[in-house]
Amino acid sequence: DGGITQSPKYLFRKEGQNVTLSCEQNLNHDAMYWYRQDPGQGLRLIYYSQIVNDFQKGDIAEGYSVSREKKESFPLTVTSAQKNPTAFYLCASSIGGGRANVLTFGAGSRLTVL
Amino acid sequence: GNSVTQMEGPVTLSEEAFLTINCTYTATGYPSLFWYVQYPGEGLQLLLKATKADDKGSNKGFEATYRKETTSFHLEKGSVQVSDSAVYFCALHGSSNTGKLIFGQGTTLQVKP
Repeated sequence: DGGITQSPKYLFRKEGQNVTLSCEQNLNHDAMYWYRQDPGQGLRLIYYSQIVNDFQKGDIAEGYSVSREKKESFPLTVTSAQKNPTAFYLCASSIGGGRANVLTFGAGSRLTVL
Repeated sequence: GNSVTQMEGPVTLSEEAFLTINCTYTATGYPSLFWYVQYPGEGLQLLLKATKADDKGSNKGFEATYRKETTSFHLEKGSVQVSDSAVYFCALHGSSNTGKLIFGQGTTLQVKP
């Protein structure tokens, strides 16, 4: 079955450490996204990529970095510069950028900073 | 800029009750509108969508009508079940071609037997 796989599901990090969250899709989608979810705040866009080797900042990109070297992969690095990284992170993909295109989401990764 | 506002939760209902979750939006042009659902510990799944004024999206007994005159996209279901307990997100896609969605804050629904 096609879908999006995020790993790890749970991750603990000490302050000052960088961590990388994996996102892989086998849907042959061109566009991929990273959202952050905090209680009562909905989802906020961190980064998105519409094509391989290109990506753009979303609304809350500070303290995060991404790469898009392969169509199926869009890893997110949470750096030590991110002041409040504890959150639920969701990766998504879509066929393209059209206004009616549906986003398919992964199951999420929960990051906790100790 | 574009934004989405949902009614505050949590919403607690008895099984077979009628459900309404309000959603209003602010956007330029003609956005597409979506409802996504998130079950505990999972990612989001598309529930329904509407791409132009007066369109009605429907799925699994849920419905929402795109009302441009009131900038609303309220979610309704005639008879909820315990299995409908989840967080519901209203979202819009604006007139750009980036595929980015703007989400409301989410409304938690709890259905009691």
